[in-house]
Amino acid sequence: KNQVEQSPQSLIILEGKNCTLQCNYTVSPFSNLRWYKQDTGRGPVSLTIMTFSENTKSNGRYTATLDADTKQSSLHITASQLSDSASYICVVSRYTGNQFYFGTGTSLTVIP
Amino acid sequence: NAGVTQTPKFQVLKTGQSMTLQCAQDMNHNSMYWYRQDPGMGLRLIYYSASEGTTDKGEVPNGYNVSRLNKREFSLRLESAAPSQTSVYFCASSATFGANVLTFGAGSRLTVL
Repeated sequence: KNQVEQSPQSLIILEGKNCTLQCNYTVSPFSNLRWYKQDTGRGPVSLTIMTFSENTKSNGRYTATLDADTKQSSLHITASQLSDSASYICVVSRYTGNQFYFGTGTSLTVIP
Repeated sequence: NAGVTQTPKFQVLKTGQSMTLQCAQDMNHNSMYWYRQDPGMGLRLIYYSASEGTTDKGEVPNGYNVSRLNKREFSLRLESAAPSQTSVYFCASSATFGANVLTFGAGSRLTVL
């Protein structure tokens, strides 16, 4: 069964600290994995995309990694800011069938 | 750049009432989607339109209907609302069907009493 699981479900960190969010998937055949950020009361916004051949990709303070062999991805946030408080959603696409598989998200709260 | 616009943002209905959620995109995208988001669950696909003139069921289509009015607009209709349809609804679009980036609207929060 094609699934996407994220951990932790929620996370509270102090401003300025780093954190890592995890995404494990069983979606096959794998096409790509995208991380979205969803602010409260808003729609998800794409942060980064990882394809099969990519191991690491950065977007400012966000760094995503992908291990296609173990079917795991992580999103590392460096020097967190209050504006990083949001839900982070992992979305995996299949190579065939044009389907998106959504994780349930990690709710991140950054406190001063 | 408006992107994807949804209306209304909030709506309260009584069981059995009907309503239509409106969605419009200004990016000339071919494909449009309707998702619902419930606590503790990932976004679930209700219906999608791969291109103008076509619509197809997603994972949870029961109780809903859609209309792809033109390339820009994709509406979602609840004919007889039920409390189980209380949710946040998101419209999204992509340049082509299955394209790896979705652009989402801000969401419509629906409560059915």
